[in-house]
Amino acid sequence: DVKVTQSSRYLVKRTGEKVFLECVQDMDHENMFWYRQDPGLGLRLIYFSYDVKMKEKGDIPEGYSVSREKKERFSLILESASTNQTSMYLCASSSLGQGWDTEAFFGQGTRLTVV
Amino acid sequence: AQSVTQLDSQVPVFEEAPVELRCNYSSSVSVYLFWYVQYPNQGLQLLLKYLSGSTLVKGINGFEAEFNKSQTSFHLRKPSVHISDTAEYFCAVTSILTGGGNKLTFGTGTQLKVEL
Repeated sequence: DVKVTQSSRYLVKRTGEKVFLECVQDMDHENMFWYRQDPGLGLRLIYFSYDVKMKEKGDIPEGYSVSREKKERFSLILESASTNQTSMYLCASSSLGQGWDTEAFFGQGTRLTVV
Repeated sequence: AQSVTQLDSQVPVFEEAPVELRCNYSSSVSVYLFWYVQYPNQGLQLLLKYLSGSTLVKGINGFEAEFNKSQTSFHLRKPSVHISDTAEYFCAVTSILTGGGNKLTFGTGTQLKVEL
């Protein structure tokens, strides 16, 4: 059974803290993605990566950075958390295919609250 | 740049009635199209996908979607909905980037509410 695992389901952090959200996939996928999900705004792409040490900005990268040191792990970093980063964060992965295997698989999400 | 537009944020419908959820996309390169569903308090799961070939795609739970290249649309339909179809539905597009990788972009979602 394919799996994308996010390290925490719920997280509460203080304003100004450095926050790490971890995501691990066991499908040997090249692509990995970080989204935030907010009511009425859908899923917005923060960053994605298609190879180790490669990263690409998504649509809302401000205030975030990422790290991909190993193929299976993709970390999202909030350098200095702010209350407007309170959200549900979703990690996903997919293979670098050009056919059926471009389907993305999602983790269960991390609900981050910044107080 | 690619984008996905879901014009309807909420769609109320009575049980056993037909439903259509609309999705339009824009992209300068070839795309693959998807519909995902998110049931309350659950993660996203794939409903169906269009990669190539027949423009009418059938998915799980009786859903189907039609790819229309000239109208850049990928509307989702079900001829008769059930109360258990109540969920949020997301349209998504993947572009194969020339520099490498796939960029997966989602729409804002449509909340389908099925009423008795």
